[in-house]
Amino acid sequence: DAGVTQSPTHLIKTRGQQVTLRCSPKSGHDTVSWYQQALGQGPQFIFQYYEEEERQRGNFPDRFSGHQFPNYSSELNVNALLLGDSALYLCASSSQGKGNIQYFGAGTRLSVL
Amino acid sequence: SQELEQSPQSLIVQEGKNLTINCTSSKTLYGLYWYKQKYGEGLIFLMMLQKGGEEKSHEKITAKLDEKKQQSSLHITASQPSHAGIYLCGADWGSNYKLTFGKGTLLTVNP
Repeated sequence: DAGVTQSPTHLIKTRGQQVTLRCSPKSGHDTVSWYQQALGQGPQFIFQYYEEEERQRGNFPDRFSGHQFPNYSSELNVNALLLGDSALYLCASSSQGKGNIQYFGAGTRLSVL
Repeated sequence: SQELEQSPQSLIVQEGKNLTINCTSSKTLYGLYWYKQKYGEGLIFLMMLQKGGEEKSHEKITAKLDEKKQQSSLHITASQPSHAGIYLCGADWGSNYKLTFGKGTLLTVNP
């Protein structure tokens, strides 16, 4: 049973560029959440997708957008990259009605130069 | 202000010693989740607590939620090098969607 998978594992971009990160949820899960984790900090909630719609959003600008596909996989897009966007981006999947236990992928390490 | 505080920030113990990590919420918790993270990697789910006074154990790790549902502790008995990593508590304050995490506790276990 595959867990949550994320791609790519590492990414280097320059300021102003755009990036797309991908996530496949754990089998049987229908909800995907995205988190940003800066060095030495806990993960911060970006947004959550359920039934192909953004259900809740954290305190992140509109440069951060996402999408969920019919097969429950998800993408995180970040436009106009800033140096401060450098972080580990974590995807978590969960299933409605199962205690909100979120299972995390290994993350995508984004470096913005 | 930080709504979820973890203490200590870091901890170094000798193999075989017991240790406790604390997580304090500024408001009543709907659910409290403990995760472990190896440096730069994803989070591994350990335990979820929802009821006041609840206690759960997995192998040598025990987590408790106080009666007021504002404080949780994670206790490791007879620590091993495999226990080393960053322990994170995550709070669900009733949104049923997002988790809010503490800054984490870095645990080092010396053989």
